[in-house]
Amino acid sequence: AQSVAQPEDQVNVAEGNPLTVKCTYSVSGNPYLFWYVQYPNRGLQFLLKYITGDNLVKGSYGFEAEFNKSQTSFHLKKPSALVSDSALYFCAVRDVNDYKLSFGAGTTVTVRA
Amino acid sequence: DAGVIQSPRHEVTEMGQEVTLRCKPISGHDYLFWYRQTMMRGLELLIYFNNNVPIDDSGMPEDRFSAKMPNASFSTLKIQPSEPRDSAVYFCASSSFALSVQPQHFGDGTRLSIL
Repeated sequence: AQSVAQPEDQVNVAEGNPLTVKCTYSVSGNPYLFWYVQYPNRGLQFLLKYITGDNLVKGSYGFEAEFNKSQTSFHLKKPSALVSDSALYFCAVRDVNDYKLSFGAGTTVTVRA
Repeated sequence: DAGVIQSPRHEVTEMGQEVTLRCKPISGHDYLFWYRQTMMRGLELLIYFNNNVPIDDSGMPEDRFSAKMPNASFSTLKIQPSEPRDSAVYFCASSSFALSVQPQHFGDGTRLSIL
């Protein structure tokens, strides 16, 4: 079985401040990890993925995520948040031997001007 | 690239009516996924196809739900008869895993309201 936990329903930050969205996962084997962002009335948009190799993954729009195997975490980060980053963020995991993604419940990010 | 195309974008119908949701995946993608999103349950995988063949339908909630993929460029999700608790946003996503681990690409969804 595989699962994802996003412990924070909401994250609020001021524009220009660092943004972190937390994610922990559980899989029976090795994980493939993903971050998606959803804007109102839109589908999920892919931000970045971890497959193997470097634990720090860089993605779209200045986002990055750090894979930590010992803590089974894959936190999303952005050094300087923008108001336009306000959206719903999903972490997802799949086992390397499966094609099904399991999504977290989502974290609503609000960046205030 | 046109992306995943879903239709209709919005559907409002009365309880008991048949509802058909449509999806056109990205050309060349051999995996297609149907999801349902609600406030209470979040994102749920309903069914997925590989090369037009249903692989896992364990997420389909009831026999009222059915999905087909008659060819590589078209899939439908049907609810018959529909009930108010089926109200949700339904997403289709496609991907290809032939050469590397690729993300799933999502359509903009169909917002379904059953009155």
